[in-house]
This record gives sequence, C-alpha cells and structure tokens, in this order.
Amino acid sequence: DIQMTQSPSTLSASVGDRVTITCRASQSIGSWLAWYQQKPGKAPNLLIFKTSSLESGVPSRFSGSGSGTEFTLTISSLQPDDFATYYCQQYHTYSTFGQGTKLEIK
Amino acid sequence: QLQLQESGPGLVKPSETLSLNCSVSGGSISSSAYYWGWIRQPPGKGLEWMGSIFYDGTTYYNPSLKGRGTMSVDTSKNQYSLSVNSLTAADTAVYYCAMTYSSDPKAGTFDIWGLGTLVIVSS
Repeated sequence: DIQMTQSPSTLSASVGDRVTITCRASQSIGSWLAWYQQKPGKAPNLLIFKTSSLESGVPSRFSGSGSGTEFTLTISSLQPDDFATYYCQQYHTYSTFGQGTKLEIK
Repeated sequence: QLQLQESGPGLVKPSETLSLNCSVSGGSISSSAYYWGWIRQPPGKGLEWMGSIFYDGTTYYNPSLKGRGTMSVDTSKNQYSLSVNSLTAADTAVYYCAMTYSSDPKAGTFDIWGLGTLVIVSS
C-alpha cells in the first residue's frame, strides 16, 4: 500500500500570509497527486489534480508542485475563506489520502 | 451537472451489515465517462477510500476492508451501493459517495461528492 504523510498537521497563519503544505508518498507516484479542501460539516472539494493542474473555479492563489514522492500545496496570499483542512490524495495505485492539515487563524 | 445523494440507516448494531445507496442524478451511472467511489471519514479524523466501481461492474477495494466490503451498481435505479459486514465501532463514520472521471488526467480524483451520511455503529 502507498502511504501518504502530510506536514504539518496543523498550521497557524494570518490573512495575507504565504503558506506551504507538504505531502510525501511512501513510494513514487509520478504526478498522480491531488489536493482537496474540506470545511467543517462539508464534503471535500477538489482543488488541484495531477500535482499542479488547477480545478476549474479554484482561485489562482492556490498552486501545487512536486513529483515522485514529495509534493507541495502553496497558497500565495491567505484569504479568510481558505481556513480549512487540506488533504492530499495519491491516485497512482488505487487511492490513499494524507491525514490532513488543518489551517487555522493565528 | 451530476449530483450524488447517499442514503443509509444512520444507526447499526455491532456485527451487523451496513447497506448504503448512492443515487446519481444529472447523468447516467452506465456512462463510460465516469466511475464511482465510496470514501468514509470517522468523526474528527481523515478520509479513507473504501472502494470504486466501474460502469461494467469491475470493483476495487481498499485492502484495509479485509474482504468486508461489497459494491454493486443498479442501472435501473441509476444508483450504486456499498455493503460492509461484521461492523465494529471503528466503522462509525460519515460515508461519502463520489464520482471520478474515467479518463486521465483525472482518472482517480473525486470530482463530485455527495453530502455524506453519518453511520453510527452502536448497540
């Protein structure tokens, strides 16, 4: 099984900050990595697929990079609506999610 | 626009079998353009992919289910289902159904989700 490890588990930041979340795979997954945003009581929402492709309607302040086993999600300038939990997902072999990163207001 | 809606019992007893349905609207469950998955989320915890089913009935399951899960498609009702047997408290979770496009580069991402249904396993 492919394991996905996100860091940090919790991130405190302020509006306007640039933040980066890291996701590491236990083996190479090529570029088959997606990112989701989830708000309390809601289903996750796809933000980025194939490492760096922005889903339609997602603001350009979100970006993704990486390949192989190490990936990052960057939010260039945090907005109030961005405080949520973020999950990475590998879809190279079946599907595995990371444990999540909670982005909270400092 | 595709929409998905889960339905289930809400409360089930330990050792019993959970049966969930996902109704699909706005598109055909038989379309080769999509396939269908189940993801669950225990309260306060992360997401776990449970399995996926293709329009032709091909299924893939998370090995962590250890053979307890079964998925099927009912084309006459435009819905698909998940059953999980030998339930324990660890199966308490919000269960989501979700749609995946069948072609790259999104074959495997979950693009459209249902609202989720909470299942509590308790006597």
